[in-house]
Amino acid sequence: AQSVAQPEDQVNVAEGNPLTVKCTYSVSGNPYLFWYVQYPNRGLQFLLKYITGDNLVKGSYGFEAEFNKSQTSFHLKKPSALVSDSALYFCAVRDIRDDYKLSFGAGTTVTVRA
Amino acid sequence: NAGVTQTPKFRVLKTGQSMTLLCAQDMNHEYMYWYRQDPGMGLRLIHYSVGEGTTAKGEVPDGYNVSRLKKQNFLLGLESAAPSQTSVYFCASSVGLAGPSSSYEQYFGPGTRLTVT
Repeated sequence: AQSVAQPEDQVNVAEGNPLTVKCTYSVSGNPYLFWYVQYPNRGLQFLLKYITGDNLVKGSYGFEAEFNKSQTSFHLKKPSALVSDSALYFCAVRDIRDDYKLSFGAGTTVTVRA
Repeated sequence: NAGVTQTPKFRVLKTGQSMTLLCAQDMNHEYMYWYRQDPGMGLRLIHYSVGEGTTAKGEVPDGYNVSRLKKQNFLLGLESAAPSQTSVYFCASSVGLAGPSSSYEQYFGPGTRLTVT
């Protein structure tokens, strides 16, 4: 069975500072990893994914994530955070041997202060 | 292209009442999913479907039923609502195995906020 953990319930940063949202995963096989963002009263929006290839994945809105197999991590990063990045972020994993399902982390609330 | 739509957006039920949530997608996706979102628990999979006429149980299926009579629609039913089913419900869809290998992400609807009193 696959799972992800987001160790921080909340992340607070000042606008212009780097933003990191942490995610670690556990799967039996090779992982497919995803990041989603949820703005208030909205559905989840896809940000980026890692399937295979380069460990640094670039996504929407200036976000990127680094896949680290030895540390089983897939941290989301943004070099310079904006107030508009304030939202709920979810990491998700899909085991390639279980094609249909994503397992989501509990979510991390990001607050970027002006 | 509307993507994934859900109706209704909000609903209040009394304990024991029934209702059906409708999800529709116009992307010709094979797979569809129903999740519930509760504070601090992320999203939990209720039921899913890998094609028209097929359904399967997810992580938390008890108290819910689903049907996928048409490829574009996925219905979630609550036969006898309980306060524990107060939640925000999200539908999602994905291309499925027939799509290119890079297309495993799921696309989400805007959600239905359900309160059971």
